[in-house]
Amino acid sequence: DIQMTQSPSSLSASVGDRVTITCRASQGIRNDLGWYQQKPGKAPKRLIYAASSLQSGVPSRFSGSGSGTEFTLTISSLQPEDFATYYCLQHNSYPPTFGGGTKVEIK
Amino acid sequence: QVQLQESGPGLVKPSQTLSLTCTVSGGSISSGSYYWSWIRQPAGKGLEWIGRIYTSGSTNYNPSLKSRVTISVDTSKNQFSLKLSSVTAADTAVYYCAREGIAAAGNPLGADVWGQGTTVTVSS
Repeated sequence: DIQMTQSPSSLSASVGDRVTITCRASQGIRNDLGWYQQKPGKAPKRLIYAASSLQSGVPSRFSGSGSGTEFTLTISSLQPEDFATYYCLQHNSYPPTFGGGTKVEIK
Repeated sequence: QVQLQESGPGLVKPSQTLSLTCTVSGGSISSGSYYWSWIRQPAGKGLEWIGRIYTSGSTNYNPSLKSRVTISVDTSKNQFSLKLSSVTAADTAVYYCAREGIAAAGNPLGADVWGQGTTVTVSS
């Protein structure tokens, strides 16, 4: 299985901060990666697909970049509704595998 | 807009078989452009892909669960189902069904639509 190493596992930030989350794949996955936001008691919601394409309806403050083995999710200006846990998911190789998650908390 | 809804028993005894169904509304499960998948999440932990099925009935299972998992599809009811046998407390989790797009080249595109999830507890 491809291992997805996500960092940091948690972070504290303030409203308005720029936040960056990283996922590293144990082998190259082209751009076959998505980013998901999960709030407590809810299903994950896809924010980014194909590493850098914004899902319809998702605010433009979210952006993704990377290819191969290193990927980044950036929130340009953190909003109160963005406090959640974020996961990356690779679907290049079966089985699809998730990163361990990053919990974004209020500072 | 496609919606997915999981259903099934919330409590299963150890060694028995967990059975869940996902009902697809707002679109046809037979469209041919999607895989239909199951994913689970133990409380407070990360996400694990269980397996997927295509409308033809072809399946892919996570090797870690392959010996215990069966996913099937019922196109007449617009549903697909999960069976997980010989369950233990380690199978206690929220179970999600999800839709996964397929590219023109046939490669998967990642899960884009998820059900709300259903909690299954394994306990006697």
